[in-house]
Amino acid sequence: EAGVTQFPSHSVIEKGQTVTLRCDPISGHDNLYWYRRVMGKEIKFLLHFVKESKQDESGMPNNRFLAERTGGTYSTLKVQPAELEDSGVYFCASSQEEIAYNEQFFGPGTRLTVL
Amino acid sequence: QKEVEQNSGPLSVPEGAIASLNCTYSDRVSQSFFWYRQYSGKSPELIMSIYSNGDKEDGRFTAQLNKASQYVSLLIRDSQPSDSATYLCAVNRFRDYKLSFGAGTTVTVRA
Repeated sequence: EAGVTQFPSHSVIEKGQTVTLRCDPISGHDNLYWYRRVMGKEIKFLLHFVKESKQDESGMPNNRFLAERTGGTYSTLKVQPAELEDSGVYFCASSQEEIAYNEQFFGPGTRLTVL
Repeated sequence: QKEVEQNSGPLSVPEGAIASLNCTYSDRVSQSFFWYRQYSGKSPELIMSIYSNGDKEDGRFTAQLNKASQYVSLLIRDSQPSDSATYLCAVNRFRDYKLSFGAGTTVTVRA
C-alpha cells in the first residue's frame, strides 16, 4: 500500500512569489491534515479536511494560505504571496475515519525556502 | 507552558542499552498519545500509539501512560544503531483530530 506522497520535495522561491504544494493521502483515508515545522520549532497543525470539506482550519497562519481538496482525494496548499517566515517543512498526513484512535500517517514533507 | 514537552536531548546510549524518553502534556482532556520516529530528512513514522493507562509493548518498544500525572514515556530496549533518530511525542484532545507535538528528542545509539 502506497503511503502519503508529497510534491515537490523541495521548493526555493523568492519573497512575493506563489508556491503550491501537493499531497496525495493514503488511498481510502478520508481525513487529510497539513502541518508545518519551522526551524527550531515543533510541528504545528495547520488544517484538517474530511473528504473535501475543511473541518478545522484553526492553525492556518493568515489568508495568504489557501488549502483545497477538490473531489476529496489529493490536496493542495497554496501560499500567495510567500513571505520569509513561511520557510519550513510542510507535512501532510492522513488517517481513516474513526476519531478515538486517530493514527495519522505522514508524508515526507516539502521543504520550502523563501528568499 | 507548552502543550507537549519532551526531555531535552540529545540522548546518547550504548548499543544494547535501554533508551528512555519522556513526555508530559498540559491538557487533561488529552485522550490519544503517539510516538513517532523521524530519521533526518524523512517523514515522521508512527511507531507506537497508546490510549489507556499502563504499559503497551510492541517488540523492543514499550509505551507507558499515566494520565493522572499527564505523562507518557517510551522505552527502547536493546537499542540498536538503527534506532538513532529523533523521537516525537504527539497528543490529541478528546474529540479533536489535530495532533500537538513536542519538540522531539534526538537519540544516538553508540555501536
